Amino acid sequence: AQKITQTQPGMFVQEKEAVTLDCTYDTSDQSYGLFWYKQPSSGEMIFLIYQGSYDEQNATEGRYSLNFQKARKSANLVISASQLGDSAMYFCARNQAGTALIFGKGTTLSVSS
Amino acid sequence: IAGITQAPTSQILAAGRRMTLRCTQDMRHNAMYWYRQDLGLGLRLIHYSNTAGTTGKGEVPDGYSVSRANTDDFPLTLASAVPSQTSVYFCASSDSGGGPYNEQFFGPGTRLTVL
Repeated sequence: AQKITQTQPGMFVQEKEAVTLDCTYDTSDQSYGLFWYKQPSSGEMIFLIYQGSYDEQNATEGRYSLNFQKARKSANLVISASQLGDSAMYFCARNQAGTALIFGKGTTLSVSS
Repeated sequence: IAGITQAPTSQILAAGRRMTLRCTQDMRHNAMYWYRQDLGLGLRLIHYSNTAGTTGKGEVPDGYSVSRANTDDFPLTLASAVPSQTSVYFCASSDSGGGPYNEQFFGPGTRLTVL
């Protein structure tokens, strides 16, 4: 099965520092999309950022950027200037065969003051 | 209603009982999905529907059924609940207009416990 791999079960960072959350994926598709979602302790799923496989520039959304390396099949999320409110679970996902998403198992990020 | 609503918020259910989790969206999205979230396993797709009147199986469909009678509603039914179906269930929708971009919007989730 084509999978999403997030190798870091937990990450720790201090406020104002940058952090990179890793994500690698399997695919034989030429056209696909990569997504990152945030899930705070309250449980809701919050969309953060999207990267299309044909996009030449890395996606950025405020403090979030996606380090997309297509040949290595990696789509790492970079959070700059971490804030306490960034403490959450983060999921990487890829779309497949139409519209469904497959998700990685997630990385828990803890930000300390 | 704004976005996706799910009901109930949480439920404790005896094994063997039938249960329907409700999901309604008001964004007129074509595609809808059901995921379950279990600790250490992330979100796994149960069933999906690309348009009203059609459904498909995801990664973990056994023990679950869905229907899509109209655009807005996508109920998930557990015909005879078992303890392994204890999970948090998320409904999601997306505007499947073609191409790889299909941001999914998620409901708040239903926490189900089967005893």
